[in-house]
Amino acid sequence: DTEVTQTPKHLVMGMTNKKSLKCEQHMGHRAMYWYKQKAKKPPELMFVYSYEKLSINESVPSRFSPECPNSSLLNLHLHALQPEDSALYLCASSQAFSPRGIYGYTFGSGTRLTVV
Amino acid sequence: AQSVTQPDIHITVSEGASLELRCNYSYGATPYLFWYVQSPGQGLQLLLKYFSGDTLVQGIKGFEAEFKRSQSSFNLRKPSVHWSDAAEYFCAVAGGTSYGKLTFGQGTILTVHP
Repeated sequence: DTEVTQTPKHLVMGMTNKKSLKCEQHMGHRAMYWYKQKAKKPPELMFVYSYEKLSINESVPSRFSPECPNSSLLNLHLHALQPEDSALYLCASSQAFSPRGIYGYTFGSGTRLTVV
Repeated sequence: AQSVTQPDIHITVSEGASLELRCNYSYGATPYLFWYVQSPGQGLQLLLKYFSGDTLVQGIKGFEAEFKRSQSSFNLRKPSVHWSDAAEYFCAVAGGTSYGKLTFGQGTILTVHP
């Protein structure tokens, strides 16, 4: 299995809703990432987990809450989002958060989030 | 801090023509360089990567890229473009103390005319 699987593919939520995005990989990768991509823009890093511990938080608002329950699974919990948070949310994984570890950096196909 | 510049926002080529997409990076030491392709509404697919060694890197779908340290460039090439190559292409760099953090260029949209 050489894929990163993201669910759901599409999500529409209201500003008072709570929802979660899920990301799963079975490649044995120990680093997992959340990126946000606005329309016509490149992806921007949000969070990095390394060996199930949060390594990087790129000053993301607290309405986004990441969770890494185990080495194969990464969640992004969403609460009280704003319409400007509408974007494509991409998950990625790599062998490790180290120079050689990023050899197998792999992206999922993303969750298209619309906040209404 | 590392950065990537893709000077061309939009490139149009005819099917069968050759292609070169430009990428310039800024980073003090030897960078880790990537090219990704993204079709509309889709995730990112890795075309090729450079870490060290041979400066001409072969990738999937007939793409190649050449690392030129003197020019801080990592341009993507394909000798004959197919209509299915129409997509957005991103150059990315990783390095420094945050090896896993990819910094992307702004992207180049490729349109292929029949």
